[in-house]
Amino acid sequence: QKEVEQNSGPLSVPEGAIASLNCTYSDRGSQSFFWYRQYSGKSPELIMSIYSNGDKEDGRFTAQLNKASQYVSLLIRDSQPSDSATYLCAVNMWGGGYNKLIFGAGTRLAVHP
Amino acid sequence: DTEVTQTPKHLVMGMTNKKSLKCEQHMGHRAMYWYKQKAKKPPELMFVYSYEKLSINESVPSRFSPECPNSSLLNLHLHALQPEDSALYLCASSRGTSGEYNEQFFGPGTRLTVL
Repeated sequence: QKEVEQNSGPLSVPEGAIASLNCTYSDRGSQSFFWYRQYSGKSPELIMSIYSNGDKEDGRFTAQLNKASQYVSLLIRDSQPSDSATYLCAVNMWGGGYNKLIFGAGTRLAVHP
Repeated sequence: DTEVTQTPKHLVMGMTNKKSLKCEQHMGHRAMYWYKQKAKKPPELMFVYSYEKLSINESVPSRFSPECPNSSLLNLHLHALQPEDSALYLCASSRGTSGEYNEQFFGPGTRLTVL
């Protein structure tokens, strides 16, 4: 069974702090990794994509990938109450003759003033 | 245009009704997807169209019938649904189906309630 695992949270951080969201995946052959943000009642919004080992930064967001450890993370610097949402990790996996995105269950982030 | 649109936003239907959900993208993407999402769960893949051909059906019951009239449009026809089919139905699109081409962009979704 190909899996993506995330801590469901809630992860509670004070405003201005760094929020660290983690994700592990089971398929060593996976090459593409995505982070989505989903506000309650809304659809998932793509915020980061990462394909190579190391860090990728975009504004306050940094995605980190370690394929040897099968681990991908998302750091949110200077967290704001507006960052409070569920963050979904998605991994592109091959199985059954085709590629598809496998989503983790999501981590709920709560940023308190 | 980097947007995926979906209509209607909300839909309430009885178990004997027939209705359709519509999705449109103008990003030149060649892969389009239907997902179902229940509360507090991740999106669950239903169907994938690649170059207007159905490439994945995740064992979805036949009361859900997808259609891809052209590369920009995706429909989901609904018939004889059950109350447990009530969910948020999400459409997504991507340039392709492998590697970084599988970067998927979601529409706002249709909130479906089956009475």
